[in-house]
Amino acid sequence: AQSVTQLGSHVSVSEGALVLLRCNYSSSVPPYLFWYVQYPNQGLQLLLKYTSAATLVKGINGFEAEFKKSETSFHLTKPSAHMSDAAEYFCAVIGSNTGNQFYFGTGTSLTVIP
Amino acid sequence: ETGVTQSPTHLIKTRGQQVTLRCSSQSGHNTVSWYQQALGQGPQFIFQYYREEENGRGNFPPRFSGLQFPNYSSELNVNALELDDSALYLCASSLAQGSTEAFFGQGTRLTVV
Repeated sequence: AQSVTQLGSHVSVSEGALVLLRCNYSSSVPPYLFWYVQYPNQGLQLLLKYTSAATLVKGINGFEAEFKKSETSFHLTKPSAHMSDAAEYFCAVIGSNTGNQFYFGTGTSLTVIP
Repeated sequence: ETGVTQSPTHLIKTRGQQVTLRCSSQSGHNTVSWYQQALGQGPQFIFQYYREEENGRGNFPPRFSGLQFPNYSSELNVNALELDDSALYLCASSLAQGSTEAFFGQGTRLTVV
């Protein structure tokens, strides 16, 4: 079975500070891992994905995530937060034996303080 | 813009009624998945359609049903609406079954009163 756990339902950072959003996964097969962002009243936009190539994945808007098998983690980071980064962030996993059914975490709401 | 469009964007229904939500997939995509996102939660998989056939279903009762048409657009139907069905319903299209890339529409916000 596949699942992800997002630690911290709300995260607040100051503008210009490091953003760190945590995600741990559980998967019985090598996972494909994703981070999506959702702005108010919008659908989901893909930030980045890990599909067993490089363990450090770079995405859009300056975000990146590192796959750490030993820690079963896939944390999302951005060196310097911008006001426009305020949104809901979802970590998701699909297992290679479940087609492309996504299993999402419960989300982390990011607030950026000016 | 993902090229995935959903309609309507918002609607309000009464408990016990039936509703149909629509999704136009991105050009060339033959796989459509539907997700329910309750307030404050992550999206939950309802089912997936591949070339007009249901291809996987999540933990949702049979009153949630769907269709996929020859042009790969899709409908989600919910019968006997309950208050807990109030949610954002998201459609995602993929190039093929098993693809790791999914493009989400903006969703339909359903409120059941």
